[in-house]
Amino acid sequence: GAVVSQHPSWVICKSGTSVKIECRSLDFQATTMFWYRQFPKQSLMLMATSNEGSKATYEQGVEKDKFLINHASLTLSTLTVTSAHPEDSSFYICSARLAGGPFNEQFFGPGTRLTVL
Amino acid sequence: AQSVTQLGSHVSVSEGALVLLRCNYSSSVPPYLFWYVQYPNQGLQLLLKYTSAATLVKGINGFEAEFKKSETSFHLTKPSAHMSDAAEYFCAVSEVGSSASKIIFGSGTRLSIRP
Repeated sequence: GAVVSQHPSWVICKSGTSVKIECRSLDFQATTMFWYRQFPKQSLMLMATSNEGSKATYEQGVEKDKFLINHASLTLSTLTVTSAHPEDSSFYICSARLAGGPFNEQFFGPGTRLTVL
Repeated sequence: AQSVTQLGSHVSVSEGALVLLRCNYSSSVPPYLFWYVQYPNQGLQLLLKYTSAATLVKGINGFEAEFKKSETSFHLTKPSAHMSDAAEYFCAVSEVGSSASKIIFGSGTRLSIRP
């Protein structure tokens, strides 16, 4: 149980294009999902917290107009990187928190590798 | 603000040797604590979590961690390392009592296993 999927697992795009990454909780409902960014050999940095049916809360320094987050249902959140540039290349990981679940436990997706040329 | 510090960005042990990965936390109240493992190009897998039920926590793959309030530590151990344990390990902290609390990750420790 508690499986989170991400699609696509990797994507290569040209500079200036937009890329959408999907995060799904497959066997549970997630009122809260989180988006992280991870640079090579570094830790996960929280980008934003996404609550179903409301606007995402972005961490300081994260451009909300560049990283659009939508959490339209209890099982799906999307991250759209708009007008991507090479510096946006990174490993993006989502996680989902079980609705009503204890201990603030988050279940993580397998990640999406974004490469912007 | 909560934080975790992982001592040692890289730890190398021989196969069969004891694994010890260090984690110290900073929190005004006893928090929830987690250890996650990440294999290359993959997401994070929960190894174990401390939720105040017991100070010695046993997790998957033979790992365990002990919560020591006096030392504000939550070190991860495994009696005998296996080649498959080579990965990146993250200690993380979350605030008790907050329904939408964030998880704050440490900087990570890369574990290498020597044959």
